[in-house]
Amino acid sequence: GQQLNQSPQSMFIQEGEDVSMNCTSSSIFNTWLWYKQDPGEGPVLLIALYKAGELTSNGRLTAQFGITRKDSFLNISASIPSDVGIYFCAGFRTGANSKLTFGKGITLSVRP
Amino acid sequence: EAQVTQNPRYLITVTGKKLTVTCSQNMNHEYMSWYRQDPGLGLRQIYYSMNVEVTDKGDVPEGYKVSRKEKRNFPLILESPSPNQTSLYFCASSLSWPGTRQNEQFFGPGTRLTVL
Repeated sequence: GQQLNQSPQSMFIQEGEDVSMNCTSSSIFNTWLWYKQDPGEGPVLLIALYKAGELTSNGRLTAQFGITRKDSFLNISASIPSDVGIYFCAGFRTGANSKLTFGKGITLSVRP
Repeated sequence: EAQVTQNPRYLITVTGKKLTVTCSQNMNHEYMSWYRQDPGLGLRQIYYSMNVEVTDKGDVPEGYKVSRKEKRNFPLILESPSPNQTSLYFCASSLSWPGTRQNEQFFGPGTRLTVL
């Protein structure tokens, strides 16, 4: 099936630093989504991207839909301790058997 | 409050003992889905339902059953659980297909299942 690649599996940063994570695929997607999962909870949608090249911000978070439609990145600026969690990308492609495909997630740790 | 609820939140059981994890949403959503989350594997879809009485397999349906008799409920059934079904399970719902505009997918709090 379709696969989304997120790496590395874990990232460790210092509070106040910016961090960027990307998500790549061999397939084209019509939608890219970024979710965050806090410890002990379900994922929550951070940003949704629906058009190639689209750049969208949500507070300190910025995400972009790659121009090739095969990738997306998420940037967190001026990280704070509550940014800790697992960040998932997800891609959606319309057509027969449309479904959401998730990446494996990146666990972010923020050192105070 | 708009939410997706799951019960139980934690369950320890033994191999072969049938169990059901319930999922309910109060947002009148058409689309509901079950995922399992395993370390290093991320979220994998088990089954989904686009409407009442309409269900379809996801990526990892083996060993699971679902039903959608009412719009708000989407229980996950393990007829004969095995240790490889030990995992963290999430139910989710959205108005329509979750990758389309204005169709944010809401996740439940998760059910941690251990099969001994």
